[in-house]
Amino acid sequence: AQSVSQHNHHVILSEAASLELGCNYSYGGTVNLFWYVQYPGQHLQLLLKYFSGDPLVKGIKGFEAEFIKSKFSFNLRKPSVQWSDTAEYFCAVGILTGGGNKLTFGTGTQLKVEL
Amino acid sequence: DGGITQSPKYLFRKEGQNVTLSCEQNLNHDAMYWYRQDPGQGLRLIYYSQIVNDFQKGDIAEGYSVSREKKESFPLTVTSAQKNPTAFYLCASSFRTEQYFGPGTRLTVT
Repeated sequence: AQSVSQHNHHVILSEAASLELGCNYSYGGTVNLFWYVQYPGQHLQLLLKYFSGDPLVKGIKGFEAEFIKSKFSFNLRKPSVQWSDTAEYFCAVGILTGGGNKLTFGTGTQLKVEL
Repeated sequence: DGGITQSPKYLFRKEGQNVTLSCEQNLNHDAMYWYRQDPGQGLRLIYYSQIVNDFQKGDIAEGYSVSREKKESFPLTVTSAQKNPTAFYLCASSFRTEQYFGPGTRLTVT
C-alpha cells in the first residue's frame, strides 16, 4: 500500500518569505500527485496536480511543485507567500482504479503567514 | 451550480446511536468517496464507490457502512460499532483524475 509523508506539520513564515513544503511517497508504480489546500472555513480545493510530462507543474495562486521520481518527492514551493496563504496543505498520491483516482493523503502542513 | 453537497454541516448524536451522513453530487461523476479528517492525521479513506451498486472498503472502514443506489448519492452510516466517531467527514467525487470535495459534516458524538 502507498503512503505519503509530509515532514513539516506546522510552518510559520513572514509575508514575502519563500515557502517549500516537503512531500515524499512510497509506491513503486505509476502515480498521480496532487497538492490540495484547505483555507479556514472553506472546502478542500486542488492547488496543482502532476500526471506526466514536465515534472515542474504550476498551480493556482503562484504555487508550483516539482516531481523528482528518483527521490519519490513532490515538494510544493512558492517564492513569496502572502497572509492569505494561511491554510492547511495536503499532499496526495493517486492511483487510477476503474472509474476514479484512489487518493492517499499526507497528514497535512498547517501554514501560518504573519504580517 | 454543479458541485457536492453534504448535510447537515454540524451533527450531534448520543453514543450508541447510528447516524447517516448525506452526500449528493450533480457533477455526473462515476466515483465517490468518503474520508475522515482528524487533526494531525490528514484525510483517511473510509469507503469508495466506482459505479452504482458497487463499493469498496478504504483504509478505515470498520464501524461504517455505505450504499450507492443512485449515481448522485453516496450516504455514509456511522454505526455504534465505530469507537471514535467524532470527526470531520468529507465526501468527494471524481471522473478519472481530480477529486472534488464537499464542504464536510462535523459529527460530534457524546
